Amino acid sequence: DSGVTQTPKHLITATGQRVTLRCSPRSGDLSVYWYQQSLDQGLQFLIQYYNGEERAKGNILERFSAQQFPDLHSELNLSSLELGDSALYFCASSIVSSYNEQFFGPGTRLTVL
Amino acid sequence: EDQVTQSPEALRLQEGESSSLNCSYTVSGLRGLFWYRQDPGKGPEFLFTLYSAGEEKEKERLKATLTKKESFLHITAPKPEDSATYLCAVNYGGSQGNLIFGKGTKLSVKP
Repeated sequence: DSGVTQTPKHLITATGQRVTLRCSPRSGDLSVYWYQQSLDQGLQFLIQYYNGEERAKGNILERFSAQQFPDLHSELNLSSLELGDSALYFCASSIVSSYNEQFFGPGTRLTVL
Repeated sequence: EDQVTQSPEALRLQEGESSSLNCSYTVSGLRGLFWYRQDPGKGPEFLFTLYSAGEEKEKERLKATLTKKESFLHITAPKPEDSATYLCAVNYGGSQGNLIFGKGTKLSVKP
């Protein structure tokens, strides 16, 4: 158990809908990262937050957004969902920066029908 | 383009048959190389961090090494429970300042 929690574990929804994924980092970690993992693309970095502020952006679509709250938990919002958004979404946390080890949560499996 | 390439894509071993997994990278200014283990449908599990050429880290049957262009994950006398996908990731301090993951090596160890 990495100490990172994610909810829900599974999410099934329809195209065009909007969903919110939630992540709680390990105790003491200030940085939260979101990743998307699909069969053909591997693990792709989406976005990083550090202590409530956006720190770095990867290949995140404009339909996706995230935020980190004062208690350091984070939410990833996915809107206008398409079939191709079906994937595993992972949250990770680290003490400070991406130069530190990142510890991953169990993931949320999103299925868009 | 900065890249991380892992080989082989898949590896089948008999229990006790030692081997190595490779991770080669073309990024400049390496800030850290990370190895993870991932079981199907689970989140990646952190194994090792390597920061400079010549560095080695060990944990049970696993040993990770780093050169200027690649890293190896050596598996000594593997057991069936070592079966998993092993992921390599690189932090090069670039504009995104985050990890670039390889596509992984899927290891199967048969009893």
